Amino acid sequence: KQEVTQIPAALSVPEGENLVLNCSFTDSAIYNLQWFRQDPGKGLTSLLLIQSSQREQTSGRLNASLDKSSGRSTLYIAASQPGDSATYLCAASTDSWGKLQFGAGTQVVVTP
Amino acid sequence: DAGITQSPRHKVTETGTPVTLRCHQTENHRYMYWYRQDPGHGLRLIHYSYGVKDTDKGEVSDGYSVSRSKTEDFLLTLESATSSQTSVYFCAISVHGGPAGELFFGEGSRLTVL
Repeated sequence: KQEVTQIPAALSVPEGENLVLNCSFTDSAIYNLQWFRQDPGKGLTSLLLIQSSQREQTSGRLNASLDKSSGRSTLYIAASQPGDSATYLCAASTDSWGKLQFGAGTQVVVTP
Repeated sequence: DAGITQSPRHKVTETGTPVTLRCHQTENHRYMYWYRQDPGHGLRLIHYSYGVKDTDKGEVSDGYSVSRSKTEDFLLTLESATSSQTSVYFCAISVHGGPAGELFFGEGSRLTVL
């Protein structure tokens, strides 16, 4: 069974610093990996989707990398802002049905 | 916004009562999913659907049933609610290319079973 781990569970950084969020998975046979943001009491917002054939994806200040051989994905958020405070979740899809296995998330606080 | 609406958004019920949660999409996406989110367990898949009347079990399907009689609606039913089913339930749809595409989630339905 695919297991997805996110370390650290919580992270606090000052505004302007770059954020680095880690995600590891045990089964390298993934279809894709997706990063989400979740604000308290809200649903999940999709940030980036990386297909298994890709090494990275970028959207604005966000960049996500994927290394299947080592079972790792990293989400980089450049020049963090207080509005980036949220919980960030990664999820791996290991079958063609689109079922996702989620990590527990990293709770991020960006202080002004 | 992938046009997903969940109802009800909040519900309090008593042990042993039936509960149905509805997920409605405004586009004709084929794949739909129900997840639950709990502290200490994260998000776990309950059931999913790959078309009208085509459904299958996920990781934590015991105590739940689903139905999909129309493309736009995916219903999750707790036949006899238990306190362990107190949770936040999220519906998701897969867009942009089918089952391995990007998943978008609804706002969630918070269920409390007393």
